[in-house]
Amino acid sequence: GENVEQHPSTLSVQEGDSAVIKCTYSDSASNYFPWYKQELGKRPQLIIDIRSNVGEKKDQRIAVTLNKTAKHFSLHITETQPEDSAVYFCAASRDNFNKFYFGSGTKLNVKP
Amino acid sequence: ETGVTQTPRHLVMGMTNKKSLKCEQHLGHNAMYWYKQSAKKPLELMFVYSLEERVENNSVPSRFSPECPNSSHLFLHLHTLQPEDSALYLCASSQGMVGELFFGEGSRLTVL
Repeated sequence: GENVEQHPSTLSVQEGDSAVIKCTYSDSASNYFPWYKQELGKRPQLIIDIRSNVGEKKDQRIAVTLNKTAKHFSLHITETQPEDSAVYFCAASRDNFNKFYFGSGTKLNVKP
Repeated sequence: ETGVTQTPRHLVMGMTNKKSLKCEQHLGHNAMYWYKQSAKKPLELMFVYSLEERVENNSVPSRFSPECPNSSHLFLHLHTLQPEDSALYLCASSQGMVGELFFGEGSRLTVL
C-alpha cells in the first residue's frame, strides 16, 4: 500500500516568515494530494489540494507543489500569521477513490 | 445543526463495556468514513461507506463494528476494547468517493 512520510514533525517560525512542509509518497499511482489543517481541539479542514496533472497550485498565501518524478509534494505558507498555528496533514490517494493515506502531521507554531 | 456532528465528544469506558459512537452529517453527502487519530501517528482509515454499503474495512479488529443505517448516520459500536484503542475517533463525509472530506470534531475515547 501507499506510505506517506511528512517532515518536519514540528516547525516554529516568526510571524511574517515563510513555512514549508514536505511530504513524500511511495505509490506512483497516487494522483490526488490534499492538505488538511487542524487547529487545537478542532476538526481537520481542507485548505488546498492538487492533482497529478498539475505541478503547482496557489491560493493567496498558500501554495502546493508536486514533483511526480521524485514523488514528493510540499506546502508553502508565505507571510505567516499567528492564526496559521495548527497541525497540518498531507495525504495521498489514487484512482479517484477517497482512501486517503495521511502523513503523521506537522505542528506549526507561528510566533508573534 | 450543520456539517458533521459527533456524539459523545468524550467517552471513558472499561474494557468490558459496550458503547457506541454516533455521527450525523447534514451536508447531503453519500459517503461516510471512520478515522482513528492517535498521538503522533497518521490518521488511520478504519471504515468507508458509500451509499450505505461498506466499501472498505481496513483490517480493523472485530471489537469495532460499524453501522450505517442511512446516508446521514454512521455508528461505531465498541465492545471489549483495549487501552491501546484510546484515541480520537473522527467521522467524515464526502459527496461521492472523490474529493474533500468534511470531518466532525471527533469523539475522544479513553479505555481504562
